[in-house]
Amino acid sequence: GQNIDQPTEMTATEGAIVQINCTYQTSGFNGLFWYQQHAGEAPTFLSYNVLDGLEEKGRFSSFLSRSKGYSYLLLKELQMKDSASYLCAVRDSNYQLIWGAGTKLIIKP
Amino acid sequence: IAGITQAPTSQILAAGRRMTLRCTQDMRHNAMYWYRQDLGLGLRLIHYSNTAGTTGKGEVPDGYSVSRANTDDFPLTLASAVPSQTSVYFCASSEGTGGNEQFFGPGTRLTVL
Repeated sequence: GQNIDQPTEMTATEGAIVQINCTYQTSGFNGLFWYQQHAGEAPTFLSYNVLDGLEEKGRFSSFLSRSKGYSYLLLKELQMKDSASYLCAVRDSNYQLIWGAGTKLIIKP
Repeated sequence: IAGITQAPTSQILAAGRRMTLRCTQDMRHNAMYWYRQDLGLGLRLIHYSNTAGTTGKGEVPDGYSVSRANTDDFPLTLASAVPSQTSVYFCASSEGTGGNEQFFGPGTRLTVL
């Protein structure tokens, strides 16, 4: 079966760094996406990795290791507005997205 | 219209009733999707359309139908609603199916009693 695993909830302090991990087992791999979803809102795109390595975009970076079926999202200089759920999704061999349940990130002052 | 819109925002529906959730995008995207999001579960794909005139079944299609008569609109119909269809429904679109991010509508919160 297809499976995306991420921690249910994480807590971090404003100004700090947090790493959200995602492991996956899917039928085929055609890229991995990270989305941010604030409570009561729609998911919004953060990053896309299809090759191994690190993609950096401002305060956010995403890493992929295809051989390990592993990705992480790194958030630096945390701000209160970063409190949200972070969704990991893998595009499978049928080019459909398989979604993890999301990681709720709580930022404390 | 800017981006992707959904209607209604929320709805309470009696079991057994028919309901159509509307989705419209003005980005001229080829691909469109319907997902449901339930607490503790990831987004689950209900139906998709890679281009106008074609549709396909996702992970959880039972009890739902879709049509794609043109590029902009992708309505989702519940023929006879059941309580297990209580969920938040998101419509999304992407320029293509390969390597493109999906843009999401604001969602419809549906309660079936």
